[in-house]
Amino acid sequence: EAQVTQNPRYLITVTGKKLTVTCSQNMNHEYMSWYRQDPGLGLRQIYYSMNVEVTDKGDVPEGYKVSRKEKRNFPLILESPSPNQTSLYFCASREGAGANVLTFGAGSRLTVL
Amino acid sequence: GNSVTQMEGPVTLSEEAFLTINCTYTATGYPSLFWYVQYPGEGLQLLLKATKADDKGSNKGFEATYRKETTSFHLEKGSVQVSDSAVYFCARGSYDKVIFGPGTSLSVIP
Repeated sequence: EAQVTQNPRYLITVTGKKLTVTCSQNMNHEYMSWYRQDPGLGLRQIYYSMNVEVTDKGDVPEGYKVSRKEKRNFPLILESPSPNQTSLYFCASREGAGANVLTFGAGSRLTVL
Repeated sequence: GNSVTQMEGPVTLSEEAFLTINCTYTATGYPSLFWYVQYPGEGLQLLLKATKADDKGSNKGFEATYRKETTSFHLEKGSVQVSDSAVYFCARGSYDKVIFGPGTSLSVIP
């Protein structure tokens, strides 16, 4: 089944404790992206990647890092999480062109205390 | 810059009512336009899309027409069902970014 898999689905952590949210897709998509969803703000793009070893900042990249060493994986790293990073995170992927549809993961709900 | 604006919710309708959710976008280039739907506790999934002016996307009784002259992509359904209760996101896609509107929450009551 074609899918985007995120882990963990739920996480409660404390300020400053580094964490990684993994994202993997099995569709050989070039493009991958991370979004955060907050009430009243919709989805905001954190980082995206057009292909392996190519990453770029989205609209809200502060406090996050990403890497794209392999085509299928696009982990989101919070080096020193803070409470304002409490949110619902979505990873998504698509084939290269802008007309193509994003396939989303099921989401990762992160709480930073 | 590029942006997507959609009507604020929440929207509450009775079953079989007519639905319109307005969406407008900034007209930089010729983006593709999408409606995504998010059911409770799930990720977003595509509802419909249109890739050029005057295209009409349709799915599950929902329709939206790409209107270049008014930079709009309004979502419509003639008769909503309780199962349509969800959050609806309008989005514009380009080669590097997909920009989403803030989402409109729809509740359909029997």
